[in-house]
Amino acid sequence: KNEVEQSPQNLTAQEGEFITINCSYSVGISALHWLQQHPGGGIVSLFMLSSGKKKHGRLIATINIQEKHSSLHITASHPRDSAVYICAVSRGDYGGSQGNLIFGKGTKLSVKP
Amino acid sequence: EAQVTQNPRYLITVTGKKLTVTCSQNMNHEYMSWYRQDPGLGLRQIYYSMNVEVTDKGDVPEGYKVSRKEKRNFPLILESPSPNQTSLYFCASSLSRGDVSYEQYFGPGTRLTVT
Repeated sequence: KNEVEQSPQNLTAQEGEFITINCSYSVGISALHWLQQHPGGGIVSLFMLSSGKKKHGRLIATINIQEKHSSLHITASHPRDSAVYICAVSRGDYGGSQGNLIFGKGTKLSVKP
Repeated sequence: EAQVTQNPRYLITVTGKKLTVTCSQNMNHEYMSWYRQDPGLGLRQIYYSMNVEVTDKGDVPEGYKVSRKEKRNFPLILESPSPNQTSLYFCASSLSRGDVSYEQYFGPGTRLTVT
């Protein structure tokens, strides 16, 4: 079983729809990261959070430490949001270094006009 | 401009021929890391460094070496590349303050093919 699981693997949405991508993890963490990988391959960091909720423009990320679960929401989706969204966690368990990152396999989002 | 640079961006080589992929950042970040990305397996961490002269293994360190002699550079060395090291490689950096994590900045990637 993977230590970081994302769902769904693939997601197709119509422009304007509200989108949710989920991430569950089974290890102790010091932080959780949401990344976006563009069709051209480049990776950018969207959020890094260890508790609560963060918002940036139309993107919202939440984390529930007790349930070991995080969600990434996109409001009023647009075709330019089409990308692969990747969840990653910085390990913080059993003396593991918070520099050790483990990744989910990503969610491929396609937003149709 | 704040950035992480990697060189080369594309490389085709033969089995056993030593190679180095360079990574450099201009943001004075303490933390640097190398990842590989493979279809169906996603991103996996190879090595990381919390600061100068401090390096640690990630989840897939076999066949790779790193060094962190200065803050801005973190080269990835393949002493004897094999075809199973054909992959897309990313370098990343971030601030690091004790046990506090910060967002990572990624390089553009290096596509390596080993024949």
